[in-house]
Amino acid sequence: GNSVTQMEGPVTLSEEAFLTINCTYTATGYPSLFWYVQYPGEGLQLLLKATKADDKGSNKGFEATYRKETTSFHLEKGSVQVSDSAVYFCALINRDDKIIFGKGTRLHILP
Amino acid sequence: KAGVTQTPRYLIKTRGQQVTLSCSPISGHRSVSWYQQTPGQGLQFLFEYFSETQRNKGNFPGRFSGRQFSNSRSEMNVSTLELGDSALYLCASSFRTGDYGYTFGSGTRLTVV
Repeated sequence: GNSVTQMEGPVTLSEEAFLTINCTYTATGYPSLFWYVQYPGEGLQLLLKATKADDKGSNKGFEATYRKETTSFHLEKGSVQVSDSAVYFCALINRDDKIIFGKGTRLHILP
Repeated sequence: KAGVTQTPRYLIKTRGQQVTLSCSPISGHRSVSWYQQTPGQGLQFLFEYFSETQRNKGNFPGRFSGRQFSNSRSEMNVSTLELGDSALYLCASSFRTGDYGYTFGSGTRLTVV
């Protein structure tokens, strides 16, 4: 079946550090891939997406590239800010249109 | 424009009771989906409604049910509550089913005691 695995948190970084949150997936066919972010006390917000192999999604300085050969969609940001502290979810949608989320990675950025 | 509105924000219920949660989607959105978020299981898909019809369903027992009204507002009902049903229940809306532009509400936090 379909599944998403992302690195366990929490991840703690200093401001301006480089961020990578790993995400790998298992799916049949060619799913669409997403990163969502959840700030404290709020629902999820779509951060970026990629719908086919080699696509790069980007938003607010975050990037992720759809790598079919490694079934990965790692989230990166060159210089994190305190305001990036949140929980990040990797997700996929396959042909059945059901969205599958990873467990989430909590990110703490220290000033 | 107004976002996805979920009511109530917080709810405390006793085991064995039933509960109804409400979700008002963004105006013009016809697809509403529901999710359960717990620390142990993460985010799990419950079901999705489009134009008053259930289009997709996750792997939850029959105690979990939902419906959608002609104005696209949706309700989720959980009967015979168990302690393990304590969770944050999130609703998301989109313009059409299979649309990847989901917008989430802030959720209803249900505590079963």
